Amino acid sequence: NAGVMQNPRHLVRRRGQEARLRCSPMKGHSHVYWYRQLPEEGLKFMVYLQKENIIDESGMPKERFSAEFPKEGPSILRIQQVVRGDSAAYFCASSLDRGTSNQPQHFGDGTRLSIL
Amino acid sequence: KNQVEQSPQSLIILEGKNCTLQCNYTVSPFSNLRWYKQDTGRGPVSLTIMTFSENTKSNGRYTATLDADTKQSSLHITASQLSDSASYICVVSASGTASKLTFGTGTRLQVTL
Repeated sequence: NAGVMQNPRHLVRRRGQEARLRCSPMKGHSHVYWYRQLPEEGLKFMVYLQKENIIDESGMPKERFSAEFPKEGPSILRIQQVVRGDSAAYFCASSLDRGTSNQPQHFGDGTRLSIL
Repeated sequence: KNQVEQSPQSLIILEGKNCTLQCNYTVSPFSNLRWYKQDTGRGPVSLTIMTFSENTKSNGRYTATLDADTKQSSLHITASQLSDSASYICVVSASGTASKLTFGTGTRLQVTL
């Protein structure tokens, strides 16, 4: 199955530590998106990347959060100095075409981040 | 403000029965509307995508409808199966970049024996 792969599936961090979430898109996809889902809420857009470029980061907090999608390797969502409010499920999706085209976004199974 | 509202919040039906889930949206300018199925602990899986000019689209036992004039969509599930138990999420896309995707909070469907 060459679907979107996210790891780790579960991540526990203490307040103040760093969290690194990885996402390998589907084969052939160069568009990657990160979403955050809080309990009982809908997914919220964070950032849209296309190989080595950040296209839209309007949904990502200005501080502590960063994302990259290098030429080689997975996309990384990095959260520095985590706080309890960062506890959520983080989903990555990829697509063949740009963000709002008629191509579906294919989602990974998410990383559940828990902050102690 | 772009919004997507879904109803009901949750639904329990017997195996073999049909059901219809509703989605109302206020998203502008409209680009397309998507329905996703999300199993517990998994990522969303795309069911259908409809553009402005399409008013119905099927995927097996799933049929989505779209009324762009009233800004409403429905997802009809025929002859439900236990494996249909999941959250069904309506997502509306406005023209622009990926930040223009607005997600509903979903309808949680439980199919029982």
